[in-house]
Amino acid sequence: DAGVIQSPRHEVTEMGQEVTLRCKPISGHDYLFWYRQTMMRGLELLIYFNNNVPIDDSGMPEDRFSAKMPNASFSTLKIQPSEPRDSAVYFCASSLAFDRDGNQPQHFGDGTRLSIL
Amino acid sequence: QKEVEQDPGPLSVPEGAIVSLNCTYSNSAFQYFMWYRQYSRKGPELLMYTYSSGNKEDGRFTAQVDKSSKYISLFIRDSQPSDSATYLCAILNRYSSASKIIFGSGTRLSIRP
Repeated sequence: DAGVIQSPRHEVTEMGQEVTLRCKPISGHDYLFWYRQTMMRGLELLIYFNNNVPIDDSGMPEDRFSAKMPNASFSTLKIQPSEPRDSAVYFCASSLAFDRDGNQPQHFGDGTRLSIL
Repeated sequence: QKEVEQDPGPLSVPEGAIVSLNCTYSNSAFQYFMWYRQYSRKGPELLMYTYSSGNKEDGRFTAQVDKSSKYISLFIRDSQPSDSATYLCAILNRYSSASKIIFGSGTRLSIRP
């Protein structure tokens, strides 16, 4: 059973370039989350979708960041223009709706390690 | 004040020792308490979760929640080198911020053979 698939695994690019990160959630999951992880700030939620609709984008740091989910099996996170401070590991996660306990276990991909020079 | 505080470590213990990992949180409205494990260069994976005070056991792992003190713990018995990872506590307040999990900064754990 395939988990959450992210691509690319690594991305190195120069400041000012456009960066697009991709995510394929687990089939059947209703929710999709984008996170950013750094040593300084830990794991931060950027945005999440429910049934392909963005629900909360309050964690998106600036207008340079945008995310889309055109269908249930694909999402992108775009940074344009990129800056060195955007260097981090970006994770995508997906989940079903709340389980019978009211919890919502999230399944993470292995992340994209982004370096902006 | 951060909503979830976690000692970043690193924590190094010998194989077979009992490990105690802890977090504190500030909002008494939080309801669901989770522990994620993250191996190097991998995404976090859910280890355990609970939504009530008390203990929950799963094999060598025990999650403990004390809502009166706003304190959560993860105990690992008979620790193994394969337990070496970063452990993140995570909290969810479903009703005010549905689906928005708040993660601790993670504690790096190393088990020495």
